[in-house]
Amino acid sequence: DAGVTQTPRHEVAEKGQTIILKCEPVSGHNDLFWYRQTKIQGLELLSYFRSKSLMEDGGAFKDRFKAEMLNSSFSTLKIQPTEPKDSAVYLCASSGNTGQLYFGEGSKLTVL
Amino acid sequence: GDSVTQTEGQVALSEEDFLTIHCNYSASGYPALFWYVQYPGEGPQFLFRASRDKEKGSSRGFEATYDKGTTSFHLRKASVQESDSAVYYCALGIFNTNTGKLTFGDGTVLTVKP
Repeated sequence: DAGVTQTPRHEVAEKGQTIILKCEPVSGHNDLFWYRQTKIQGLELLSYFRSKSLMEDGGAFKDRFKAEMLNSSFSTLKIQPTEPKDSAVYLCASSGNTGQLYFGEGSKLTVL
Repeated sequence: GDSVTQTEGQVALSEEDFLTIHCNYSASGYPALFWYVQYPGEGPQFLFRASRDKEKGSSRGFEATYDKGTTSFHLRKASVQESDSAVYYCALGIFNTNTGKLTFGDGTVLTVKP
């Protein structure tokens, strides 16, 4: 079975650019999550979808971060405009009805 | 709100040492408790879970027992190997509400020297 697929694995952006990260969840999973991971803050929840409906949108991230779930098998995270402090690993995860999260390998973003 | 506290930010051991990583939680409902492990360059992987008081979860030689009385789910392994070096996350989920969200601890970096 395919796991969670994230692209790109690495992204380098100039300050002020728009970047889009992509995620394909495990087939049949209803819940999809976007996390940001840094050494200082650890895992921070950015967005949570259930059956394509947005359930939670991390308050601190609302300004420049927008996650969308275009269909049950594809989600995007847009950061616009990017800032150097956005440099982090962005993780996508999905889960079915067991509550167990399956994570992708992450997209490492560097903003210069 | 719900929270998970991992006491140790970093743990350094030698091979064959005994491992304990402490995890305590605070939750308003009836949480399921999880341990995840993250190797460099990868996303976190599910290790195991427990859903009821006194239930033991285990995998790959790691184990933890759900203790509602002390609100704990400490991770233990009798004899660590260098390949166990990774970041370990404790997490809780409240599944009697309409959400599948997990709350993660800050993570514990385990380094095992040969």
